[in-house]
Amino acid sequence: EAGVAQSPRYKIIEKRQSVAFWCNPISGHATLYWYQQILGQGPKLLIQFQNNGVVDDSQLPKDRFSAERLKGVDSTLKIQPAKLEDSAVYLCASSQKGFANTGELFFGEGSRLTVL
Amino acid sequence: GQQVMQIPQYQHVQEGEDFTTYCNSSTTLSNIQWYKQRPGGHPVFLIQLVKSGEVKKQKRLTFQFGEAKKNSSLHITATQTTDVGTYFCAGQVFYAGGTSYGKLTFGQGTILTVHP
Repeated sequence: EAGVAQSPRYKIIEKRQSVAFWCNPISGHATLYWYQQILGQGPKLLIQFQNNGVVDDSQLPKDRFSAERLKGVDSTLKIQPAKLEDSAVYLCASSQKGFANTGELFFGEGSRLTVL
Repeated sequence: GQQVMQIPQYQHVQEGEDFTTYCNSSTTLSNIQWYKQRPGGHPVFLIQLVKSGEVKKQKRLTFQFGEAKKNSSLHITATQTTDVGTYFCAGQVFYAGGTSYGKLTFGQGTILTVHP
């Protein structure tokens, strides 16, 4: 079974530039997550989709971050314009279940963003 | 919002010694999950605990969920160098609304180093 695919693995940009990350979850997984992991910290949920609808984006900085999940399958996370504090690993995850018990989350390898 | 605290932040042990990390939530959880992240890697699911007072074992790893479903612990007996990594707990809370869903909040992790 193929895992969660993410691209690019690494990205270096200058502040105020834009960047986009792509995620393809495991086939059939209902729920897709974008987490931000700053070095030395735990993953922080940015946005959670259940099928193609957003169920939680309370910690997404909406003035600069946006995300969509087209047709309930793959997803794109965009940052525009980037700030220095956005330097982090952006982890995409998916889970088979939704509702109250999401079950195990399967993470992709992550996209490491460096903002100069 | 929900907070999940983990202690200690770092633990250095000699190979063969035991290791324990503790997790505390500000709110009652529907379940708790544990993940391991190797250096440079992504979080990998270890286990999920659902019931109050639940104890589960995986070889040298013992996981406990508190009676009040607000705290949890992971104990590793006789550590090995392969145990090196960061251990995260993640507490799940159920949100009921237009679309009901479970939200997973990660602790900041405990970094385990094992000296041979």
